[in-house]
Amino acid sequence: GNSVTQMEGPVTLSEEAFLTINCTYTATGYPSLFWYVQYPGEGLQLLLKATKADDKGSNKGFEATYRKETTSFHLEKGSVQVSDSAVYFCALSENSGYSTLTFGKGTMLLVSP
Amino acid sequence: EAQVTQNPRYLITVTGKKLTVTCSQNMNHEYMSWYRQDPGLGLRQIYYSMNVEVTDKGDVPEGYKVSRKEKRNFPLILESPSPNQTSLYFCASSHLGSGTVNTEAFFGQGTRLTVV
Repeated sequence: GNSVTQMEGPVTLSEEAFLTINCTYTATGYPSLFWYVQYPGEGLQLLLKATKADDKGSNKGFEATYRKETTSFHLEKGSVQVSDSAVYFCALSENSGYSTLTFGKGTMLLVSP
Repeated sequence: EAQVTQNPRYLITVTGKKLTVTCSQNMNHEYMSWYRQDPGLGLRQIYYSMNVEVTDKGDVPEGYKVSRKEKRNFPLILESPSPNQTSLYFCASSHLGSGTVNTEAFFGQGTRLTVV
């Protein structure tokens, strides 16, 4: 079956530091890959996505590149802000006409001033 | 405004007392699903529905029921709640993907359920 593995948190950084959250996946076929963000007390919001190999998703300064050869979709941001403190979920969806998402366990990011 | 609305946001109940958590979306999405979120386990899918009157089990369906009588609504029913169903629940909706294009899932704000 499908699975997503992401680094455990919490990840604690100072403002303006560089962020990487690792994500690797196992899937049959060629899935679409997503990063969702959950701010405290809220539901999940789509942060970025990539639908095929070598695609780069980007939004709000965050980027992730779909690497088929390493089955990875690592999230990066060059300079984090306190407002980026949240839980980040990597997820995949098979390109089969269905929209079921398989999530990683989430990584909490804490950014201090 | 496009949104998924869940009610209630917080609920404390006793073991065995039937409850329903409502979910409604205003985006004419075909696909709706329920997830539970537990510490260290991430989000796990409970049930999903691809259209009206079409529902199917996800990864952790035991102890839950759903119905899809209308396209916009997808209630989650716990006939006899137990303490191990204490969790944070999310409803989500999206259009069905087609070919190699998958569409964004929109999530409700969550329902924090405590069963004592």
